[in-house]
Amino acid sequence: DAMVIQNPRYQVTQFGKPVTLSCSQTLNHNVMYWYQQKSSQAPKLLFHYYDKDFNNEADTPDNFQSRRPNTSFCFLDIRSPGLGDAAMYLCATSRDLLAAENIQYFGAGTRLSVL
Amino acid sequence: QKEVEQNSGPLSVPEGAIASLNCTYSDRGSQSFFWYRQYSGKSPELIMFIYSNGDKEDGRFTAQLNKASQYVSLLIRDSQPSDSATYLCAGAGGSRLTFGEGTQLTVNP
Repeated sequence: DAMVIQNPRYQVTQFGKPVTLSCSQTLNHNVMYWYQQKSSQAPKLLFHYYDKDFNNEADTPDNFQSRRPNTSFCFLDIRSPGLGDAAMYLCATSRDLLAAENIQYFGAGTRLSVL
Repeated sequence: QKEVEQNSGPLSVPEGAIASLNCTYSDRGSQSFFWYRQYSGKSPELIMFIYSNGDKEDGRFTAQLNKASQYVSLLIRDSQPSDSATYLCAGAGGSRLTFGEGTQLTVNP
């Protein structure tokens, strides 16, 4: 059974139209991450939550926001998608932040297209 | 210099051969290293992690870590066509994983 679930698997939006991607987990992990991955590139960390504490990467554009209303759910909001935001968005969880225990489990991803 | 660098691919090996994937890292503070397999269009799947110097074996996979040389490798024995994928090396230091760009492996029947 999937432990990190992302919805939808495919999302098409229009240039400038806000979009929300969803992630849920059944692992009861403390940390949830959002990554952006473009073709043939490494996953790029956008931000993470440790419990309710939000940690933004320095180079994450303001256009990207996140919410974590409870332990199980985390959302990625893209306020005004541009063509350059078309990518695979990956949600991951880990039990803790400590390096030795930072085993991250990924959801299946949401592929975003911007028209 | 990238924090995590992987040997440039693509790498092609015949079925049954040993595939060797290499990774170097620049941050000596990195404590653990992870190998993920990613099939085209799919999300990364954890294969192995290692945090002690030496070798760690799991089935056909062996991870090797040399902290003095800042070098991590993954060996795949008896390679199968189903092993064809991109392999991502990631280092954990502090609160984040840093991924390399991946090495694409093709195993030819």
